[in-house]
Amino acid sequence: AQSVAQPEDQVNVAEGNPLTVKCTYSVSGNPYLFWYVQYPNRGLQFLLKYITGDNLVKGSYGFEAEFNKSQTSFHLKKPSALVSDSALYFCAAPVSGGYNKLIFGAGTRLAVHP
Amino acid sequence: GAGVSQSPSNKVTEKGKDVELRCDPISGHTALYWYRQSLGQGLEFLIYFQGNSAPDKSGLPSDRFSAERTGGSVSTLTIQRTQQEDSAVYLCASSLTRGGGSAPYNEQFFGPGTRLTVL
Repeated sequence: AQSVAQPEDQVNVAEGNPLTVKCTYSVSGNPYLFWYVQYPNRGLQFLLKYITGDNLVKGSYGFEAEFNKSQTSFHLKKPSALVSDSALYFCAAPVSGGYNKLIFGAGTRLAVHP
Repeated sequence: GAGVSQSPSNKVTEKGKDVELRCDPISGHTALYWYRQSLGQGLEFLIYFQGNSAPDKSGLPSDRFSAERTGGSVSTLTIQRTQQEDSAVYLCASSLTRGGGSAPYNEQFFGPGTRLTVL
């Protein structure tokens, strides 16, 4: 069965430091991977996606993600965290043959401290 | 431009009552999805529409749940005889039709959700 895992419930980082939010996947066929962010009382906002090509994907708000096929990972990164980056982050993948419906990781809460 | 909108933003109802949740997708998006977000279950897929048809209803948890879409636009999710375990945030998303070639999957754009509380 396909799955997406986010091993950390919460990540704490100081403002200005680099951040990483981890995601690993198990999908059949070519992996297509997404990162979404959810701010309090808001819906999910698309950050970036990996379809094919370069393993380093750049997205919104200065975020990027590194696709690693051998480690089946798609970690979200940002060189310098902002307090405003504090939110809930979800990694997701479309179910193969499943009309693009997404399966999500459990989510990682990012807390950036001043 | 306008994003995905959902109404109501909050709904409190009594156990056993029926509720209707509405979603207005982005204009031109033929694909529409409903998801449910709850503390215990995370984010779960409920149903997918392509135009007015629902080729995938596999995520609907019981026959108390139904959804329709009219005019290839607005969708309504109906929960009959609500139960306390139905309490969750119901999210709607829309996207362009699945493309082909090297970019077969398009990102989904989510609405703000409807928070349903069943007392």
